[in-house]
Amino acid sequence: DGGITQSPKYLFRKEGQNVTLSCEQNLNHDAMYWYRQDPGQGLRLIYYSQIVNDFQKGDIAEGYSVSREKKESFPLTVTSAQKNPTAFYLCASSIGDGPGLPNEQFFGPGTRLTVL
Amino acid sequence: AQKVTQAQTEISVVEKEDVTLDCVYETRDTTYYLFWYKQPPSGELVFLIRRNSFDEQNEISGRYSWNFQKSTSSFNFTITASQVVDSAVYFCALSEAFSGGYNKLIFGAGTRLAVHP
Repeated sequence: DGGITQSPKYLFRKEGQNVTLSCEQNLNHDAMYWYRQDPGQGLRLIYYSQIVNDFQKGDIAEGYSVSREKKESFPLTVTSAQKNPTAFYLCASSIGDGPGLPNEQFFGPGTRLTVL
Repeated sequence: AQKVTQAQTEISVVEKEDVTLDCVYETRDTTYYLFWYKQPPSGELVFLIRRNSFDEQNEISGRYSWNFQKSTSSFNFTITASQVVDSAVYFCALSEAFSGGYNKLIFGAGTRLAVHP
């Protein structure tokens, strides 16, 4: 089945530790995204990648880093510089966008990160 | 600046009632797209609809219908004869062109719908 997988589902981290969240898609999509969701708030864009080896900062990139070495994979690292990392993280992908043509994004099941 | 407002934080209805979820947006773009997504308790967002700014026709898909009105900058979502399985958080989103000519989504805060038997 085609889709997006994220692992782990739940992640606990001690303060000061870096953690990496996995996101894999087998939809052959060019674009991939990372969002953060806090209770009672909508999704906020962390990072975005249109093609392999290229990515752009979203609205709240500070304290996060990403890589895009393969088309299928877009891991997110939450660094110790992120002051309030406890949140629900969602990865998404889309066929790819051009000006004026936003394609629907397909989402993974999410990773819930808790800082202890 | 682009913005999406979903004023209803939570809605509670009894099964078979009709329910409308409101979405009001702000944008200076003349070309834009609006989306609705559903987030069930499992957490994964499910795409429901995309509508472009030039198409103001209402759309119906089964029990779901959408009313797009540019004059009031609204894109409301109605569920007819609600069912318990409709219980979820629903997000309205607006597409915005950003650097590089590619689009990103601006999400509203979401409306939590609880349908009781």
